[in-house]
Amino acid sequence: GAVVSQHPSRVICKSGTSVKIECRSLDFQATTMFWYRQFPKQSLMLMATSNEGSKATYEQGVEKDKFLINHASLTLSTLTVTSAHPEDSSFYICSAREYLDRDSNQPQHFGDGTRLSIL
Amino acid sequence: SQQGEEDPQALSIQEGENATMNCSYKTSINNLQWYRQNSGRGLVHLILIRSNEREKHSGRLRVTLDTSKKSSSLLITASRAADTASYFCAANQAGTALIFGKGTTLSVSS
Repeated sequence: GAVVSQHPSRVICKSGTSVKIECRSLDFQATTMFWYRQFPKQSLMLMATSNEGSKATYEQGVEKDKFLINHASLTLSTLTVTSAHPEDSSFYICSAREYLDRDSNQPQHFGDGTRLSIL
Repeated sequence: SQQGEEDPQALSIQEGENATMNCSYKTSINNLQWYRQNSGRGLVHLILIRSNEREKHSGRLRVTLDTSKKSSSLLITASRAADTASYFCAANQAGTALIFGKGTTLSVSS
């Protein structure tokens, strides 16, 4: 089945560091990828929708200058947390929708998530 | 805001028992999807039910959908300890991201 690879799985770094998280669709093309954030024991909150070749669409309350999203190819989207602070510590998960799924009637494919810890 | 709301938030049962989780959503949908998440991991797709379907089965899973009430239920039969996880419903409109409910945490003890 379709696989989404997310890397790294865990990051621990100092406050002020910028962290890049990659999301790759391994065996399908994804024109659209999504980035979610999850706090402990809570649900996934959509941060932004990433479309290949265009600017990401951010949800209300998500700072686009803080969370930079790049979707340069049909198989790769990146999320960069700039100048990370302890409050940015969270679990970040990406998902991808297959290019052919225009009617959104197929499951989305999720990465395994990235645990970000800012000291 | 979240689209799906699961009920109950937490459920503890014994192995062999059935587990039922309910989900309500707010808007029209293309389909409704259920996912499972083991602690600290990504989401695993369980089952998708389209808006014109009323019931769907997959192994020990049974999902129902009532679009008039904007609700869905997930039944896991003959539960196992390995079913222990969080379960999320996600309402899906065409062309948009999945919006998840708060989830139900299921604990199955042996």
